[in-house]
Amino acid sequence: AQKITQTQPGMFVQEKEAVTLDCTYDTSDQSYGLFWYKQPSSGEMIFLIYQGSYDEQNATEGRYSLNFQKARKSANLVISASQLGDSAMYFCAMRERQTGANNLFFGTGTRLTVIP
Amino acid sequence: DADVTQTPRNRITKTGKRIMLECSQTKGHDRMYWYRQDPGLGLRLIYYSFDVKDINKGEISDGYSVSRQAQAKFSLSLESAIPNQTALYFCATSDPRDRDEQYFGPGTRLTVT
Repeated sequence: AQKITQTQPGMFVQEKEAVTLDCTYDTSDQSYGLFWYKQPSSGEMIFLIYQGSYDEQNATEGRYSLNFQKARKSANLVISASQLGDSAMYFCAMRERQTGANNLFFGTGTRLTVIP
Repeated sequence: DADVTQTPRNRITKTGKRIMLECSQTKGHDRMYWYRQDPGLGLRLIYYSFDVKDINKGEISDGYSVSRQAQAKFSLSLESAIPNQTALYFCATSDPRDRDEQYFGPGTRLTVT
């Protein structure tokens, strides 16, 4: 089974509008972390935001917020006031704390295009 | 200067050749990782190392080997490259005291012809 599912291969948003990128995850661990990364066309991976499984508040980092719904196992990224520079691939990832392992599972990504 | 560097940034090699990708970091992290990225598949873990003496296989380790020469250096080798190893390769580091957030290098684009 996929650990991380991103069901939107591509999304379009008008400049200055908000957009939500979906992410669902699958784990039986009680302790885990959820990450979002941005990958522009230049290829580097840029960390955006983190949510811990025990965090009660939704994480926010500037224009990025994470809509964390633990019971539904979803961790959607919300980008407010989209900018042209937000056009990129976005990856959701989860870190499980299994015995002897501690690595990230990535989704397949969502390509966001911001339209002027 | 970048905290995590990778060399080379681009490489074209032929089937059957041995190739090494190198990663260096100045973040002082014990944990280092190698991932590969294929279109439509996201990033997948090849190997990871929690310290110089601890190396572990990831999801897709077949056809790869690694060496942790020092805390700051983690190399990935393809002993006999094959075309389906054509991909973008990322090195990353993390600190468990800092959410284990992965700090990525700029990536190495490898093409095997």
